[in-house]
Amino acid sequence: DADVTQTPRNRITKTGKRIMLECSQTKGHDRMYWYRQDPGLGLRLIYYSFDVKDINKGEISDGYSVSRQAQAKFSLSLESAIPNQTALYFCATSDTTGVYGYTFGSGTRLTVV
Amino acid sequence: GQQLNQSPQSMFIQEGEDVSMNCTSSSIFNTWLWYKQEPGEGPVLLIALYKAGELTSNGRLTAQFGITRKDSFLNISASIPSDVGIYFCAGQWDQGGKLIFGQGTELSVKP
Repeated sequence: DADVTQTPRNRITKTGKRIMLECSQTKGHDRMYWYRQDPGLGLRLIYYSFDVKDINKGEISDGYSVSRQAQAKFSLSLESAIPNQTALYFCATSDTTGVYGYTFGSGTRLTVV
Repeated sequence: GQQLNQSPQSMFIQEGEDVSMNCTSSSIFNTWLWYKQEPGEGPVLLIALYKAGELTSNGRLTAQFGITRKDSFLNISASIPSDVGIYFCAGQWDQGGKLIFGQGTELSVKP
C-alpha cells in the first residue's frame, strides 16, 4: 500500500456542487497538508494540520475547507465548486520536524465544468 | 513572506546532455530539498541538503547547498528519457517550519 493514498484519482464535477477529496497516510505522522498544482504556478498550500486538533489556512484557502478526522486522515472539501478550481490536488504528510521532506500522494485531478 | 525563484521554468534537451537548474531565495534556509514529479504522480524526494556548501549525489544527480544559504543547485549528468518530469526545489528555515516550494523546472528529453 502507498504511504499516502488519495481518492478519487480523477473527478469531474459540475459548477456549484460540493465535493470532497480524501487522503489517508500510513506513515504515522502528525502533520498533513493539502496543495494545489496549476501549470507554471508550482505547488500552492491550501490548508495544513500539525495534529488532529490543529488546522491552519495556507496561502489559497478561500473556497476550500478541511477536516482532520484522525491522525491518518485529512480531507479537503470544495463547498461550491467553480471552474477555476480545476487543478491537480496533492495531499502530503511529514514528521514534526519536516527536515526529511514531505511524502506526497499521487494526486487527484479535479475538473469543474 | 519567503519566496523561492526556480530557473529555468522549462528545458528541452537532447538525450546524453547534462542539465543544470537552480533555486534562489530572498532569505536564508537551513534545509534544501529537491523533488521530482513524474507525469501522473506526486513529487518524490531526490536529495536533501542540511549544511551550507554541502554537495550530495544520488546516481547521476548532484545537488549543492549554496554557501550563502540562499540558493541551491541541481545537476543531472548524461540525461536519459526517464529523467522527464518536473523538478521542484524546497527550502525550510527551521525545524518544524513549513517547506517553501519553487515553481518547478519542467524537463523534456529528446531521445
